[in-house]
Amino acid sequence: KQEVTQIPAALSVPEGENLVLNCSFTDSAIYNLQWFRQDPGKGLTSLLLIQSSQREQTSGRLNASLDKSSGRSTLYIAASQPGDSATYLCAVKITGGGNKLTFGTGTQLKVEL
Amino acid sequence: SAVISQKPSRDICQRGTSLTIQCQVDSQVTMMFWYRQQPGQSLTLIATANQGSEATYESGFVIDKFPISRPNLTFSTLTVSNMSPEDSSIYLCSVERGAGTEAFFGQGTRLTVV
Repeated sequence: KQEVTQIPAALSVPEGENLVLNCSFTDSAIYNLQWFRQDPGKGLTSLLLIQSSQREQTSGRLNASLDKSSGRSTLYIAASQPGDSATYLCAVKITGGGNKLTFGTGTQLKVEL
Repeated sequence: SAVISQKPSRDICQRGTSLTIQCQVDSQVTMMFWYRQQPGQSLTLIATANQGSEATYESGFVIDKFPISRPNLTFSTLTVSNMSPEDSSIYLCSVERGAGTEAFFGQGTRLTVV
């Protein structure tokens, strides 16, 4: 059974700081991995999708990496802003697991002025 | 991307009643899914909504409790039946244009059962 863990559970940083969020998964036979952000009481916004054959993806100030062999992904946020404050979720889809996304528990990020 | 409209956005319901949640997508998609997010928890897949046939449910979820319809490639409904306070959660619709492609989510329905 695929298990997805995110560390830290919560993080508070001053504006402008670069930061890294971590995602670990137990089954390395993944099809893809996706990062989302969730604002309080809202749905999910897709940030980045990494296919199993890829090592990283970039979008603006965000960079996500994938290391299947170690079962890890990181989301790097450059020059953080108060608007980045949200919960960040990673989700994996395993090979042969149908189309189910297995979600991590999330990292709650607060960027302070 | 995909624009997903989910209704209602929130509701407060009496125990024992049922609520139907609608999910409308701006264009045809291959795959539609329903997730539940209990308070303070991450998302759990309830079922895959199959167009023109019965939904495929995950372990722990049954059709009698969560009947799902998907009459076409742009619309699906999830009903939460015979509700109890334990059903208080955010329910989210998700779509993918093809297997293994990017997943998109609606804004969710926040359900409170009293």
